[in-house]
This record gives sequence, structure tokens and C-alpha cells, in this order.
Amino acid sequence: SYELTQPPSVSVSPGQTARIICSGDALPKQYAFWYQQKPGQAPVLVIYKDSERPSGIPERFSGSSSGTTVTLTISGVQAEDEADYYCQSADSSRTYRGVFGGGTKLTVL
Amino acid sequence: QLQLQESGPGLVKPSETLSLTCTVSGGSVTSSSYYWGWIRQPPGKGLEWIGSFYYSGSTYFSPSLRSRVTISVDTSKNQFSLKLSSVTAADTAVYYCARDVVAAGYNYYDPWGQGTLVTVSS
Repeated sequence: SYELTQPPSVSVSPGQTARIICSGDALPKQYAFWYQQKPGQAPVLVIYKDSERPSGIPERFSGSSSGTTVTLTISGVQAEDEADYYCQSADSSRTYRGVFGGGTKLTVL
Repeated sequence: QLQLQESGPGLVKPSETLSLTCTVSGGSVTSSSYYWGWIRQPPGKGLEWIGSFYYSGSTYFSPSLRSRVTISVDTSKNQFSLKLSSVTAADTAVYYCARDVVAAGYNYYDPWGQGTLVTVSS
């Protein structure tokens, strides 16, 4: 199997910058994707191909990649950004194409 | 705007087969470049990929679920379906359908249906 590792939780105050990390051995070769999930709702894509932002997603959401780690950055965090965030990618052979990280709960203090 | 909607029984008995349907509106399940997939989320836990298919018949599944999963399509109804056999309590989850955007060397899910809770219990 293939695993992506995320911290269980991140806490920030409104207006600060939140950084959520996802680690995986294949990330140097495979794109990562990020989803936001609010309670009782379906996940929503917020970043694709490591750093691209879909239309309709606020500019405060950005993504980056470095080696075996990818990072979702939320600048100027707002209360509405409180949610679970999941990274998604694949192993190098793409046998495991839809692997998700365990999720990170972002709390806005 | 593409929308997906899951439907099916909310309660399934252990050892039986879970069956769900996803109805697609605002787009076609025969669109090129798109697969169609299923993802699930046990209560209070993270997301788990189940598998995806292309309308022409190409499929790929999570190795851990492959032996129990069937995904099929009804192009006349613009629907696709999931069957998961020999279910146990561990299969209790919210099941999501989603468009699987596939390109050279990567794939991602967008958009998602609202999800439907399936409980496995006698």
C-alpha cells in the first residue's frame, strides 16, 4: 500500500497563516491535490497539480511542493476556513491512484 | 454545471451486497477524458478511494477492495453504479460519487456528490 501523512490538527488565529503539510515518498514524482471538507458536506477541490487553484477558490489558498512534502498554505485565515483538509496523490507506479492523507483539522481560534 | 447525486438503500445486512447509483446531470458519463469514481468515508474518519471507471470499460480499483467491487454504467440514464459484496460493519460509511479527472500521470476528483450514508447492520 501507499500512505500520505498529514498532521491531525493545526490551529491558527484569524488573519494568520496556516500551513498544512502532507508527506509521501512518491510526491517528488506525483502531483498532489487538496480538498476542503466542512462538517456534513462533501469535499471540495481547493488546489490541483500541487499549486494550481480552481476557479472560485479564494486567492488566500495556495500550494507548494518540495521533495517528499507538499504544503497547503492559507494566508489571512478566516473563520469560514475552519474545516478538514485532505491531500490526495498516487504511488510512483500509480497502482494506488486515489490515495488520501488522513486529513488535518484546521481550527480557527 | 455538473452535478452528481447518490442514491440507494441506507441499511444493508452483513454478508449482503451494497448497491448504490450515481446520477449525473449537467454533463455526460460518456465524456472523453473523464472517469467516474467512488470514494467512501467511515463516520468520523478519513476518505478512502474505492475505484473508478471509463464508459468504454476501462477501470481501476483500490487493491484492498478490488475483489469485492463492481462499477458499471447505464449510459441511457446517465448513471453509474457501485456494488460492494460481502459487506461487514467496517463498510459502514458515507459513500460519495465523483468525476475522476484523469490526465497523463495524474488524476483528481471534482466535483463530488453530496454523499449517502450506508450502514451495515442486521
